[in-house]
Amino acid sequence: EPEVTQTPSHQVTQMGQEVILRCVPISNHLYFYWYRQILGQKVEFLVSFYNNEISEKSEIFDDQFSVERPDGSNFTLKIRSTKLEDSAMYFCASSEDGGGSDTQYFGPGTRLTVL
Amino acid sequence: AQSVTQLGSHVSVSEGALVLLRCNYSSSVPPYLFWYVQYPNQGLQLLLKYTSAATLVKGINGFEAEFKKSETSFHLTKPSAHMSDAAEYFCAVSDPSTGNQFYFGTGTSLTVIP
Repeated sequence: EPEVTQTPSHQVTQMGQEVILRCVPISNHLYFYWYRQILGQKVEFLVSFYNNEISEKSEIFDDQFSVERPDGSNFTLKIRSTKLEDSAMYFCASSEDGGGSDTQYFGPGTRLTVL
Repeated sequence: AQSVTQLGSHVSVSEGALVLLRCNYSSSVPPYLFWYVQYPNQGLQLLLKYTSAATLVKGINGFEAEFKKSETSFHLTKPSAHMSDAAEYFCAVSDPSTGNQFYFGTGTSLTVIP
């Protein structure tokens, strides 16, 4: 069964450093998403992406975040200058279309630790 | 704005006992509702979803959930717990009028006692 994959599974970085989290969505899906979960808190929406553009973003997704689909398979989340509060589990998801009833398929997550 | 509340961050049941995981939502319009399960080191896997058809929704692994508009609830149940049901369970809602983002609860960790 097709699945969303994410690399790395765990990333440790120093405060102020740039990190890139990578995702490979399911191949025939058109919509891509990033969510994050700070330890002990809710899974929060960051951004959705369609047709090489951001379609929605939350207030969390500020100028230090960016997303890109650099080729036909990868979808990345870049954090330009990491802060301690960016430490979280980051989940990538994809869906066939962007309807609210459409199932989003999630990857296993990347745990980001900022020291 | 949408929000989801999952009562009970940890639930323990005996093997063979009823599983009941609670989810309440707030929404200004009838929402779409989802339950996901996460096993250790794996992604969130869809258990079931409600999209305004039948209010009782059956999912995988013997789970089901009932949409109750009057109670703004979408509780997840399974008649008989199995050891393999031990996992983290997330309830999520999306608002058909405001886009495709999901709003999640904080999750419920289910422990099954042999």
